[in-house]
Amino acid sequence: AQKVTQAQTEISVVEKEDVTLDCVYETRDTTYYLFWYKQPPSGELVFLIRRNSFDEQNEISGRYSWNFQKSTSSFNFTITASQVVDSAVYFCALSANNAGNMLTFGGGTRLMVKP
Amino acid sequence: DGGITQSPKYLFRKEGQNVTLSCEQNLNHDAMYWYRQDPGQGLRLIYYSQIVNDFQKGDIAEGYSVSREKKESFPLTVTSAQKNPTAFYLCASSISGGAYTEAFFGQGTRLTVV
Repeated sequence: AQKVTQAQTEISVVEKEDVTLDCVYETRDTTYYLFWYKQPPSGELVFLIRRNSFDEQNEISGRYSWNFQKSTSSFNFTITASQVVDSAVYFCALSANNAGNMLTFGGGTRLMVKP
Repeated sequence: DGGITQSPKYLFRKEGQNVTLSCEQNLNHDAMYWYRQDPGQGLRLIYYSQIVNDFQKGDIAEGYSVSREKKESFPLTVTSAQKNPTAFYLCASSISGGAYTEAFFGQGTRLTVV
């Protein structure tokens, strides 16, 4: 079985602060994929990033960066200089070939960025 | 515009009634999914379909039914057997059912039992 844990249920920051959203996963598969999605108040989930288990390079996209560490089974997401528009629920998810390819989601972290 | 359309956005159902949620995609994706989201919780998979005329149960299929007669459409019926149907329902699709493919989501249907 696979599992994703997002221990932070809610985070509140003031605009321009940096914030890191934690994600810890469990899987027995050696080949797997990790994802981050953003759910704004409108409801739909928006895909942010995918990493495969063989690529531990950190990635940066504008104010967003991701830190993948297999040694600690973590895939953390950092927003630099947060903005009010970053307020949303963020989900980390995992899929693996041997787990039927289905996405397993964490419980989500609600980020509130105050002006 | 390419995307996934769910309708209606809000739905009210009386206890004991069946209700069908619509999901249509024009992305030419093979795989489609239904998820349920409860307040403060992650998404749980109800049903998925990787090809037309075929679908599989997810983690919480009891009380739900689906059909996949067309590639573009994957309607979900919430039956009277579903004990606690009030929730936010999200439909998604992906280009294939592979583990590496990202899913695209609709805007959801909020179902309330009154």
